[in-house]
Amino acid sequence: QVQLQESGPGLVKPSQTLSLTCTVSGGSISSGGYYWSWIRQHPGKGLEWIGYIYYSGSTYYNPSLKSRVTISVDTSKNQFSLKLSSVTAADTAVYYCARESSTGAYFDYWGQGTLVTVSS
Amino acid sequence: QSALTQPASVSGSPGQSITISCTGTSSDVGGYNYVSWYQQHPGKAPKLMIYEVSNRPSGVPDRFSGSKSGNTASLTISGLQAEDEADYYCSSYTSSSTVVFGGGTKLTVL
Repeated sequence: QVQLQESGPGLVKPSQTLSLTCTVSGGSISSGGYYWSWIRQHPGKGLEWIGYIYYSGSTYYNPSLKSRVTISVDTSKNQFSLKLSSVTAADTAVYYCARESSTGAYFDYWGQGTLVTVSS
Repeated sequence: QSALTQPASVSGSPGQSITISCTGTSSDVGGYNYVSWYQQHPGKAPKLMIYEVSNRPSGVPDRFSGSKSGNTASLTISGLQAEDEADYYCSSYTSSSTVVFGGGTKLTVL
């Protein structure tokens, strides 16, 4: 059973960089066949796809966030990470990491989510 | 990319059937059979209920079914149960190689 767990600061100051890590257990990121994704949910709102990374390091980002997003992978630790720069209050959200099928664009395993608040 | 359009809320009584629609464009829902549906209970992570328009993952009751016609996908829940009360989101692959979600639908079981 694949499990994902987000970790990182729950509070980030405006203009700083939000950094989160997702640790994967029960399966290897390097096994291929899946993208490793970040999705966020603003309080009381819907879901927003941020982007994904493949184990090889190739990435794809939501165009609306592309200029501020970096997703990286550390296959030795079976982890992938999200960095979102120049954050504002509008980036306050629950951030989820998830496994995305590379053939069907669906998310079959999700982390529990972590709330990140942007405030001074 | 614009969010897919879902009704804000739907309701039904136990045992009844309900359908939630998800409308997009020919660049997403209508262009690919890559529509999926997620159930989210308060404070929990979304759970995959339907993938590739009409496929159910192992463990999802067959009361849940999906379909698509043109630019609109639908999720039908038959034999409504109290535990089905949740928010439901659709998503689709897009021609820009991204994923777009719907705005979500709150299902109330009366």
